[in-house]
Amino acid sequence: QVQLLESGGGVAQPGRSLRLSCAASGFSFSSHGMHWVRQAPGKGLEWVAVISSHGRTMVYADSAKGRFTISRDNSQNTVLLQMNSLRDGDSAVYFCAREAHWGQWYFDVWGRGAPVTVSS
Amino acid sequence: EIVLTQSPGTLSLSPGERATLSCRASQSINNNYLAWYQQKPGQAPRLLIYGASSRATGIPDRFSGSGSGTDFTLTISRLEPEDFAVYCCQQYAASPSPTFGGGTKVEIK
Repeated sequence: QVQLLESGGGVAQPGRSLRLSCAASGFSFSSHGMHWVRQAPGKGLEWVAVISSHGRTMVYADSAKGRFTISRDNSQNTVLLQMNSLRDGDSAVYFCAREAHWGQWYFDVWGRGAPVTVSS
Repeated sequence: EIVLTQSPGTLSLSPGERATLSCRASQSINNNYLAWYQQKPGQAPRLLIYGASSRATGIPDRFSGSGSGTDFTLTISRLEPEDFAVYCCQQYAASPSPTFGGGTKVEIK
């Protein structure tokens, strides 16, 4: 069935790095833009980044610009989020999400999330 | 950035009752590019409605969305036990950043 599965979450000190991975299955991965959305404890959802279906276009939220890098490997049906210079405010559950319709950034498939805690 | 304000924060209702949730935008949302999601503790969000009023695949018809411009509504006609959850709206009209509302919790009265 259609599925997204995140991995790579964990605990990191401020200033350090973590890399999240999202494995897709059950659909034509290379046909969809892929996004990362996060949710801090007790807070609402916050969009983080998108990568286009072909992997040539990436857009970031202001909170992620210059620190996070989204990438994808269509041969492996995987999307990555490299997070550098982590801050306390980056602590959240990070969801991988599938863009439902080309150019319309709403999300019809979500992973279960990868928890990230930034703490000294 | 378009700010979405949801009300009420919490809605206390009984199974079988009707739930009406509001999402108000700080500016008009072009093309009615507004979605609604359901989220249960420890689970991923589930897409319910897109385009303000189109139900996503597999969503029961007790869920309906309406509205345009800056005011949008999610209605659950008769609450089932599995509907008690948090609901959030999302706009995807403003480039480059989609934004989400803070959520409405529908709890059992």
